Amino acid sequence: LAKTTQPISMDSYEGQEVNITCSHNNIATNDYITWYQQFPSQGPRFIIQGYKTKVTNEVASLFIPADRKSSTLSLPRVSLSDTAVYYCLVGVVYNQGGKLIFGQGTELSVKP
Amino acid sequence: EAGVTQFPSHSVIEKGQTVTLRCDPISGHDNLYWYRRVMGKEIKFLLHFVKESKQDESGMPNNRFLAERTGGTYSTLKVQPAELEDSGVYFCASRATGGVVGELFFGEGSRLTVL
Repeated sequence: LAKTTQPISMDSYEGQEVNITCSHNNIATNDYITWYQQFPSQGPRFIIQGYKTKVTNEVASLFIPADRKSSTLSLPRVSLSDTAVYYCLVGVVYNQGGKLIFGQGTELSVKP
Repeated sequence: EAGVTQFPSHSVIEKGQTVTLRCDPISGHDNLYWYRRVMGKEIKFLLHFVKESKQDESGMPNNRFLAERTGGTYSTLKVQPAELEDSGVYFCASRATGGVVGELFFGEGSRLTVL
């Protein structure tokens, strides 16, 4: 399974756009890129998943370059409630049945 | 619609005792997973049920851990006898067959403290 590297922590201010980049140099052809969010004392929550180019939903956008060796989660106009740990996961393919491999994640702190 | 529920939210036991954690998945979700985070470590996969069958139990640490899902509904995870290193947060997650493969719905976790 592809190993991911992401910043340990990031700081931002309310109203700013936050971009968290994840490196996954040995991503396999069948691998998808998935991002989760986790608040303290809660379980992880699915944010977005993509394979290539750009995916957008009501929460975030996911940008994936053509070589797929990295991806960027973009959170528009963050608020204090977006303070959480964000996990980049790579390697979720159908035949794995949803077995997720979590890394250390990026601890995002949003300040007023 | 109710989410994934776990019980108890926190359990404190002594080394050598037994603890049973319970997970109720989202109704209709055939896939049920157990994960855990021990102190300072990353969230780790334990096992995966499809209905009542164990699809993948490669993450179970040793034979002190027993997971069951009788009838394909709720699941239990028993730790017997508990050791100090078993302390951590145990997460349960579920997913509908045919749903987005990477989209698991997690419960809030059961915190286990072994003294």
